[in-house]
Amino acid sequence: GAGVSQSPRYKVAKRGQDVALRCDPISGHVSLFWYQQALGQGPEFLTYFQNEAQLDKSGLPSDRFFAERPEGSVSTLKIQRTQQEDSAVYLCASSPWTSGGLGETQYFGPGTRLLVL
Amino acid sequence: RKEVEQDPGPFNVPEGATVAFNCTYSNSASQSFFWYRQDCRKEPKLLMSVYSSGNEDGRFTAQLNRASQYISLLIRDSKLSDSATYLCVVNIGYGGSQGNLIFGKGTKLSVKP
Repeated sequence: GAGVSQSPRYKVAKRGQDVALRCDPISGHVSLFWYQQALGQGPEFLTYFQNEAQLDKSGLPSDRFFAERPEGSVSTLKIQRTQQEDSAVYLCASSPWTSGGLGETQYFGPGTRLLVL
Repeated sequence: RKEVEQDPGPFNVPEGATVAFNCTYSNSASQSFFWYRQDCRKEPKLLMSVYSSGNEDGRFTAQLNRASQYISLLIRDSKLSDSATYLCVVNIGYGGSQGNLIFGKGTKLSVKP
């Protein structure tokens, strides 16, 4: 079946530009996570949704980062006034369980590679 | 100090070799433990969960030592296709999002013919 999809796969932005990254989770998955992976690093947690509710946004690095999941399915991560340090791969993951973890698998999308010039 | 620490490698081994990766975690409240595999320019994929009793899946064996806060992965009879980055992952299991995963930086493995 269809897995997690993300678009665009690649994005080049000029410093100061706003960008929007989309995640389509596996149909019916309750939990959705966003992670940021810098070059040579492991993914780092950004934010978590249970259906349409954003239950944790403690990992968002600044108020320039904003995420939403208005209908409990597709999610968008928006970065305003992009900076060079925002260059990274942004990974989306979904899980069918409400906790999203404690031993259960998260299914990752292919990521969006963002390069800010 | 990083919450999850791994030797970044790279580990360069010949086909057929046995290789072991180690990982330590700092939060004693960690509840769940995993090894993920990430191929170059691809997303992470779950390799296996790690249990206190240890678990084995074919050529792969994972061990957890809660007292030492230490996780290991052993790969026997390495194949060329095992070349990837192996990510050690823990889950704290509390808070608003019980499921967010905490990743190490990853250990790069390169298996040579």
